[in-house]
Amino acid sequence: NAGVTQTPKFRILKIGQSMTLQCTQDMNHNYMYWYRQDPGMGLKLIYYSVGAGITDKGEVPNGYNVSRSTTEDFPLRLELAAPSQTSVYFCASSPGLGGRSYNEQFFGPGTRLTVL
Amino acid sequence: QQQVKQSPQSLIVQKGGISIINCAYENTAFDYFPWYQQFPGKGPALLIAIRPDVSEKKEGRFTISFNKSAKQFSLHIMDSQPGDSATYFCAASSTGTASKLTFGTGTRLQVTL
Repeated sequence: NAGVTQTPKFRILKIGQSMTLQCTQDMNHNYMYWYRQDPGMGLKLIYYSVGAGITDKGEVPNGYNVSRSTTEDFPLRLELAAPSQTSVYFCASSPGLGGRSYNEQFFGPGTRLTVL
Repeated sequence: QQQVKQSPQSLIVQKGGISIINCAYENTAFDYFPWYQQFPGKGPALLIAIRPDVSEKKEGRFTISFNKSAKQFSLHIMDSQPGDSATYFCAASSTGTASKLTFGTGTRLQVTL
C-alpha cells in the first residue's frame, strides 16, 4: 500500500495562473480531505468528500475547487492563484465507516506551493 | 473562531525529561481527540487518540490525559528522546461530521542531549 500520494511535491506559480494538486489513496477510504498548513496556524480544512460525487466546503474554501469522480482520487484546483495561497497543502483520507478507527486520518506528504 | 487552543507554541526538554503539551476545546460535541506528530517535510501522522469515555490512555511513552469537565486534554511524553523532536498537533472531531478534524496551532518540541 502506498497510502496517500500527492503530486507535485513543489510548485511555483505566478499570480493569476491555475493548477491542480493531485491526491490519490489506495486504502479504499470513503472520506478524503484537503488541508492547508501555514506557519503557526495549524491545519485548516479547505474541502472534504464523503464519497465519489459528494464534496463539501471546509473552513477556508475560497479560491479552490475540488471534484471526486472516483473513490481513489481527490484533486484540488486553484484558479487565479494569489500570494495568499502560498502554503503547504496536505491531502488526507479516512475509512469513514463504523468501527473504532473510523475517525483516523492518514496524510500524504504534502505539496509546497509558492505564488509569486 | 479557534475551537482548539494549544500551548505552548514551542518547548525545549532535556533527554530523559517529560514533555507536556496542553489543549483546550470549546465545542462540547467533540468526541474524538487525536494527537498528530509531524516531522519536517512530512505529513502529520497519528500518534495517539482518546475518546471521552476514558480519562487517560497510554501507549508506550505517550499518554493522553483527558478532563471532560474542564474541556482540556494533554499529551505527556515520558523519557523524551531526541527522536521525539517534531511538531505536535492536537485535534478534535465529533461524530456525524465526516470525521472532520479541528486542529490546534501546533507545538514545536526540541529534545536536547
